[in-house]
Amino acid sequence: AQRVTQPEKLLSVFKGAPVELKCNYSYSGSPELFWYVQYSRQRLQLLLRHISRESIKGFTADLNKGETSFHLKKPFAQEEDSAMYYCALHNFNKFYFGSGTKLNVKP
Amino acid sequence: GAVVSQHPSWVICKSGTSVKIECRSLDFQATTMFWYRQFPKQSLMLMATSNEGSKATYEQGVEKDKFLINHASLTLSTLTVTSAHPEDSSFYICSAKGAPGELFFGEGSRLTVL
Repeated sequence: AQRVTQPEKLLSVFKGAPVELKCNYSYSGSPELFWYVQYSRQRLQLLLRHISRESIKGFTADLNKGETSFHLKKPFAQEEDSAMYYCALHNFNKFYFGSGTKLNVKP
Repeated sequence: GAVVSQHPSWVICKSGTSVKIECRSLDFQATTMFWYRQFPKQSLMLMATSNEGSKATYEQGVEKDKFLINHASLTLSTLTVTSAHPEDSSFYICSAKGAPGELFFGEGSRLTVL
């Protein structure tokens, strides 16, 4: 069975500090992984996907199959990054989400 | 980007009544939509996959007779909570699959059963 784990419920950092939101997954095949973000009073939206290997709003995420991880990183956090972040795994036409991490960037 | 709209965004009903929530893809056709349930401070729990023109696929533990899903067209899926009870109170979120593999989410519908 596939499972997505985000160990941190809350992550608080100061503006300008590096941030890493952890995501681990368990899946026997070749996973397709995503990060979704939900800003205050807004709907969930896609932040980035691992197959694109892109940087969105300064965030990057690398799929590490050996460690079964897909951690989200940003070298210098901004206050506008404060939001809920969800890691998601796509398999057989379904999406499974982690429990989410609330990122709070303090001024 | 693509837009998915949910209606109503908030509904209160009496125990024993049924409530219908609509999910529409406004500017694209969605052959597959998903219904999630979210409890406070918890993750999105996949309830079922809604497939246009065919029966929905329910996740283990989700009562299909309790949560009726209809995907009658390429732009509309509905979730009907039948004989609602207070424990059905929750935040229900729909999403539609775009291409390639991206999910577009509705605003969510908060159901409160008295």
